[in-house]
Amino acid sequence: GENVEQHPSTLSVQEGDSAVIKCTYSDSASNYFPWYKQELGKRPQLIIDIRSNVGEKKDQRIAVTLNKTAKHFSLHITETQPEDSAVYFCAASTPNSGYALNFGKGTSLLVTP
Amino acid sequence: IAGITQAPTSQILAAGRRMTLRCTQDMRHNAMYWYRQDLGLGLRLIHYSNTAGTTGKGEVPDGYSVSRANTDDFPLTLASAVPSQTSVYFCASRRDYSYNEQFFGPGTRLTVL
Repeated sequence: GENVEQHPSTLSVQEGDSAVIKCTYSDSASNYFPWYKQELGKRPQLIIDIRSNVGEKKDQRIAVTLNKTAKHFSLHITETQPEDSAVYFCAASTPNSGYALNFGKGTSLLVTP
Repeated sequence: IAGITQAPTSQILAAGRRMTLRCTQDMRHNAMYWYRQDLGLGLRLIHYSNTAGTTGKGEVPDGYSVSRANTDDFPLTLASAVPSQTSVYFCASRRDYSYNEQFFGPGTRLTVL
């Protein structure tokens, strides 16, 4: 089945700096790659996603890049703010298991003022 | 109801007891999923349903069963709870094959003693 690896597991940055989280996947059939933000005690919330026919997508301070050949994708957050502090999960979706999501183990991001 | 709901919010259960976690969505989404979230392991798929009347096994299905009698409801049953099933359980839904985004419920925190 699909295996998604996520790095780093923890990341601490100063307010205003950029943060980058990287993920790799194993199944070449994966075609959808979302990123979720989860605050303590809350449900995961989709922040950005990318499909396999696109190499990059940007939404204000957040961007995602995808390299299908290398099977890796990354989340970039620019001009970080304290409210960006949360756990971020990458995921990959394949036609197997009804397009369920295979998640990475998460990155705990701390943005210090 | 607006979106996807889960009940109960939290539960403490004695080992060996039977428990059903409820999930209801009013978005008329075809696909529904159950994930469990454990610290350091991310979210893992338990069972899924592509449409009413069909279900499938995910990565960690042992000890759990599901049913999908209609579009709106997707209950998860633990036939005989064990302490290793202590976790936070999230239900999610997705509109159909042409639309990838998954929406998550608020979660159920289950403790099995």
